[in-house]
Amino acid sequence: DGGITQSPKYLFRKEGQNVTLSCEQNLNHDAMYWYRQDPGQGLRLIYYSQIVNDFQKGDIAEGYSVSREKKESFPLTVTSAQKNPTAFYLCASSIGRERGKFFGPGTRLTVL
Amino acid sequence: GQQLNQSPQSMFIQEGEDVSMNCTSSSIFNTWLWYKQDPGEGPVLLIALYKAGELTSNGRLTAQFGITRKDSFLNISASIPSDVGIYFCAGQTGGTYKYIFGTGTRLKVLA
Repeated sequence: DGGITQSPKYLFRKEGQNVTLSCEQNLNHDAMYWYRQDPGQGLRLIYYSQIVNDFQKGDIAEGYSVSREKKESFPLTVTSAQKNPTAFYLCASSIGRERGKFFGPGTRLTVL
Repeated sequence: GQQLNQSPQSMFIQEGEDVSMNCTSSSIFNTWLWYKQDPGEGPVLLIALYKAGELTSNGRLTAQFGITRKDSFLNISASIPSDVGIYFCAGQTGGTYKYIFGTGTRLKVLA
């Protein structure tokens, strides 16, 4: 079955540590995205990638970094520079910019 | 970042009732998407709308792309308990990969 996988489902980290969230898709989609969701708020775009080896900052990129070395993979690193990293992180992909996005199951990150 | 105005924020309805919710924006959009999210899970795409005036159904769900291109509506007919969740709208302006998401409508269905 085609889809988007994110791992792990739950992640805990100590303040000051970097952590990488995994996102893999086998939908053959060119575009991939990372969103952050906080309680009672809509989704906010962190980074997106239109094609391999290319990515752009979204609305809240500070404190985050990404890479796109393979079409199927778009990992997100939450760095120690991110002031308030505790949140639910969602990865998504789409065929192109005009088509609907499909989301993964999410990773809940908690900073202790 | 900019967000859509989605209403109502929450609603309690009886099983079997019809439900309506909407999103409005100050910007013109080329695409509207409607998602449902269960607690602790990723949003699931329900309906995608690509043309002004378009009316699209998915089972008991019907969504419309407003003629002004600044709003969209989602209707759920004959609600059932599994309709519980948060419904999000998302809009996209042309020539960009960025979508703007609404803050969600939390639906609770009373059996």
